[in-house]
Amino acid sequence: GAVVSQHPSWVICKSGTSVKIECRSLDFQATTMFWYRQFPKQSLMLMATSNEGSKATYEQGVEKDKFLINHASLTLSTLTVTSAHPEDSSFYICSASTRGSFDYGYTFGSGTRLTVV
Amino acid sequence: RKEVEQDPGPFNVPEGATVAFNCTYSNSASQSFFWYRQDCRKEPKLLMSVYSSGNEDGRFTAQLNRASQYISLLIRDSKLSDSATYLCVVNDESGGYQKVTFGTGTKLQVIP
Repeated sequence: GAVVSQHPSWVICKSGTSVKIECRSLDFQATTMFWYRQFPKQSLMLMATSNEGSKATYEQGVEKDKFLINHASLTLSTLTVTSAHPEDSSFYICSASTRGSFDYGYTFGSGTRLTVV
Repeated sequence: RKEVEQDPGPFNVPEGATVAFNCTYSNSASQSFFWYRQDCRKEPKLLMSVYSSGNEDGRFTAQLNRASQYISLLIRDSKLSDSATYLCVVNDESGGYQKVTFGTGTKLQVIP
């Protein structure tokens, strides 16, 4: 089945540094990638939707200059958390779909646990 | 009204019990629906899609009621391994762009 590889699985960084998270679709072309974050004991919250070759669409309250999303190819999307702060510590997950195949759900990466100290 | 609403639970049920979850959605034009399962500190995994005619996969049955705008998930003969959070997911597509909305999840704990 479809696989999305996400890395790193976990990262600890100092406050003020930037962290890049990558998601790759391994055996399919991901025309749309979704980026979520999940705080402990809460649901997934959509941060942004990116379509290959176009700018990402950010959800209300998500700073686009802080969370940079690049979806330059059909198999790779990246999320960069710039100038990370402790409140950015969270579980970040990507998911991917191929337009027209949403009947089969979405494939998720394994998530990245970010801790900012 | 939230776009997708679920009872957060927790639902504590004994092994072998039958349990059902509902999920309501606000957009009557929503096109596709899914149930995902999320184990603690892991990514969600697709449990099943929800079709208009209803569908069954082993002990799991999913139903869609468009008139009342809700979907349901029924689990029969609960196993300890069914303990997880069940997420309702609604997909909207417009102009070629998709929007996926998750419910807050319903926590199920199956007890021996």
